[in-house]
Amino acid sequence: QVQLVQSGAEVKKPGASVKVSCEASGYRFTNYGISWVRQAPGQGLEWMGGITAYTGKPNYVQRFQGRVTMTTDTSTNTAYMELSSLRSDDTAVYYCGRGHHYIDYWGQGTLVTVSS
Amino acid sequence: EIVMTQSPATLSVSPGERVTLSCRSSQSVSGNLAWYQQKPGQAPRLLIYGASTRATGIPARFSGSGSGTEFTLTISSLQSEDFAVYYCQQYNDWPPATFGQGTKLEIK
Repeated sequence: QVQLVQSGAEVKKPGASVKVSCEASGYRFTNYGISWVRQAPGQGLEWMGGITAYTGKPNYVQRFQGRVTMTTDTSTNTAYMELSSLRSDDTAVYYCGRGHHYIDYWGQGTLVTVSS
Repeated sequence: EIVMTQSPATLSVSPGERVTLSCRSSQSVSGNLAWYQQKPGQAPRLLIYGASTRATGIPARFSGSGSGTEFTLTISSLQSEDFAVYYCQQYNDWPPATFGQGTKLEIK
């Protein structure tokens, strides 16, 4: 069955970077894109961008341009999302999901807390 | 960027009732719209894509309709497990995909 398993919770200081991993199984990794979505506490869903697993070509939401880097490792079927220059308002649960456009399978989420 | 607006923000309903949730886009998204359900502490779950196609394993009581700028998600007979937050998402004007702010279904 399709599974996306994300790395564990992180606590970071303002200005630091965080890298979240998303290991896919149960399907051909290179046949689908991976999207990244975040959800601040008590808030809605925010799409951050996505990456084509086969080519490694990312598409980022403009507001994250320059701070976010999405990559894939096809040898381990793993996608990564790195967010730099963290601020307190980056505190959120970060989800990966299968699909470029709509997401049919989701990871369990990774809580990233930014606090001094 | 296309703005998605869902209404109402909160809906109080009783089990067994029929409920319709609305989603409007600031410009046409054709039929490129998805609906998700999210329960507390869980990741969202895909219900509908292509405005009206149920995702794998989604019960038939969930149905989607609409095109252009007006969309609805209908739950024909609410079950206890359906109380959750529902999000619509457009993927026509991509990137970025954009979500509505959500509609919370609560028990009356």
